[in-house]
Amino acid sequence: ELKVEQNPLFLSMQEGKNYTIYCNYSTTSDRLYWYRQDPGKSLESLFVLLSNGAVKQEGRLMASLDTKARLSTLHITAAVHDLSATYFCAVVFGLVNDMRFGAGTRLTVKP
Amino acid sequence: DAGVTQSPTHLIKTRGQQVTLRCSPKSGHDTVSWYQQALGQGPQFIFQYYEEEERQRGNFPDRFSGHQFPNYSSELNVNALLLGDSALYLCASSQWGQNYEQYFGPGTRLTVT
Repeated sequence: ELKVEQNPLFLSMQEGKNYTIYCNYSTTSDRLYWYRQDPGKSLESLFVLLSNGAVKQEGRLMASLDTKARLSTLHITAAVHDLSATYFCAVVFGLVNDMRFGAGTRLTVKP
Repeated sequence: DAGVTQSPTHLIKTRGQQVTLRCSPKSGHDTVSWYQQALGQGPQFIFQYYEEEERQRGNFPDRFSGHQFPNYSSELNVNALLLGDSALYLCASSQWGQNYEQYFGPGTRLTVT
């Protein structure tokens, strides 16, 4: 069965702290995506990771992909309030364009 | 450059009715995918259209159907609405064969009463 699991599902952080969100998936894939969603809004693409060992960084967010471990991480450095949102990882399995999303991590950054 | 657009923004329907949602892809994109996002959950893939054909379908009943037009825009139709169909419906566009990077529209919030 194709599964994408994120943890934690809820994360409350203090400003200035670091933390990591984990995304595990059940079957081989070399295409993993991270999205951000603000309440009542659509999905904003953050990162596209297409190969083993891929690492991408944008501002205080850094994403990595380990296809052998079937694991991606989204690392948050020195969190600020503006990062408060729900973060989703999504995986495309096989040759067909069937994108499966994790349940999301709801991040709250407190002053 | 217009991004992905969807209409309507909000919709309220009654059980048993039918609904049509519309999506126009980002300029240069030829592939449209539809997702259903229930409150507090991740999006679930409904189906994908390319070259006016359904190319892939998720685990949704036949009540959910779609169409793609020659200008690449797309419609999602849902028949015999159930309360459980209440959700945010997201349309995403991409360019076929291009690493599947999708751009999402603002969504249509459907409420079934």
